[in-house]
Amino acid sequence: DVKVTQSSRYLVKRTGEKVFLECVQDMDHENMFWYRQDPGLGLRLIYFSYDVKMKEKGDIPEGYSVSREKKERFSLILESASTNQTSMYLCASSSPLEPQHFGDGTRLSIL
Amino acid sequence: QKEVEQNSGPLSVPEGAIASLNCTYSDRGSQSFFWYRQYSGKSPELIMFIYSNGDKEDGRFTAQLNKASQYVSLLIRDSQPSDSATYLCAVRGNNAGNMLTFGGGTRLMVKP
Repeated sequence: DVKVTQSSRYLVKRTGEKVFLECVQDMDHENMFWYRQDPGLGLRLIYFSYDVKMKEKGDIPEGYSVSREKKERFSLILESASTNQTSMYLCASSSPLEPQHFGDGTRLSIL
Repeated sequence: QKEVEQNSGPLSVPEGAIASLNCTYSDRGSQSFFWYRQYSGKSPELIMFIYSNGDKEDGRFTAQLNKASQYVSLLIRDSQPSDSATYLCAVRGNNAGNMLTFGGGTRLMVKP
């Protein structure tokens, strides 16, 4: 079975903090993705990566950055957290042309 | 703007009935189609995918694809209360990054 592990299920941070969300997959997948999910807005792609050290902007990259130094790990960084970044964050991974598999998600609250 | 549309519901069906969930998409170049189930507070879980026109069956689930009409559907036979969840339709176009476009989801309620 595909295993995508997100470092935290729940996280509470303060406005202005730098926040790191970590995602690790154990299936040697080339592609990794970060989404956020908000009521009424559905799943929105923040960033994705199709190879080590490669990254591409998704639909809503503003306020976020990513890092992929190793194939199995994809990190999402909130440079200076703001209250409008309170959301459910979902990481996914896949091989090319294969379905994406999601981690359990991180529910992030910015106070 | 590539769009994937789903009726938000809720779709309410009695236990044992067939639930029919529908999804339409705007990009004619779309290649692959996926159905995810998401329980409240949980992450999406892949339940079906379909690449070719026609039907694909897996247990109580059947995915149906009609590329000419640009719709994909999911049928759930013998619906159970445990099937109550939000079902997300996702479509992959002809892109190298394997990106998906998700619909907003249909909330299904199966009543005992």
